[in-house]
Amino acid sequence: KNQVEQSPQSLIILEGKNCTLQCNYTVSPFSNLRWYKQDTGRGPVSLTIMTFSENTKSNGRYTATLDADTKQSSLHITASQLSDSASYICVVSATTGGSYIPTFGRGTSLIVHP
Amino acid sequence: NAGVMQNPRHLVRRRGQEARLRCSPMKGHSHVYWYRQLPEEGLKFMVYLQKENIIDESGMPKERFSAEFPKEGPSILRIQQVVRGDSAAYFCASSPTNAGPKNIQYFGAGTRLSVL
Repeated sequence: KNQVEQSPQSLIILEGKNCTLQCNYTVSPFSNLRWYKQDTGRGPVSLTIMTFSENTKSNGRYTATLDADTKQSSLHITASQLSDSASYICVVSATTGGSYIPTFGRGTSLIVHP
Repeated sequence: NAGVMQNPRHLVRRRGQEARLRCSPMKGHSHVYWYRQLPEEGLKFMVYLQKENIIDESGMPKERFSAEFPKEGPSILRIQQVVRGDSAAYFCASSPTNAGPKNIQYFGAGTRLSVL
C-alpha cells in the first residue's frame, strides 16, 4: 500500500529561525515528489517538484531534498517569516498506465511566532 | 488568468439530498483532478478527468459519487443521497494540456460540504 508519513505533526518556531520537515514514503513505482504549502482555508500551492534523478530543489527560502534510496525527503525553510505559518504537505506520485496518482501525507502544521 | 475556480465555497445539505460541486480549471488546462480532505486527514485522490473522459477514478467511492468534465463548461463532482460521512473539503486541481511527470497541479480554494 502506498503511504506517505510526515514528521513532526506540528512545529512551533520563532520568526527568523530555520526548520526542517521530514517525509518518508513507500510509493511504487515512484514518479515524483512534491512539497505543497496549504494556508488555512485555501488550496495547496506547489513549492517544489523532484523526479527520481533530482536530489535537491530550491524555491527561494525553501529547499527540498530527496534520497530515493532511503525513500526520504526533507523541506528546509530558512529565515522563517510569519507568513510561513501553514500546513506543509509532502505528495508522492506513482505512475500507473501513463497517469500519475498522488499519495498525500497528512502534513506538518508550522506556526511561526514573532 | 484566473486561477482554478470552485463553487460554491460552502455547501450545506441534509442527509439524502444531492450535492453538486463545480470546478472551472485554469484557462488552457484540460486535465482536472478531484480530491477529498476529511477533517484531520490528508488529501485523498478521487478522480482524474480530461475533457469528456474519465482517465482514472480509482479513488472514487463505488456508489453515489460521479464526476464529469464536459466539452463545454466546468467539471462537476456529484454526490447523491449524501450522508454525514461525506462532510469534507473537496478540492479540484487542474494542469496544462501537455502534462508529464513534472506537471504542476494548480488547486482551487475548495468546497466545504457539511451534511446535517
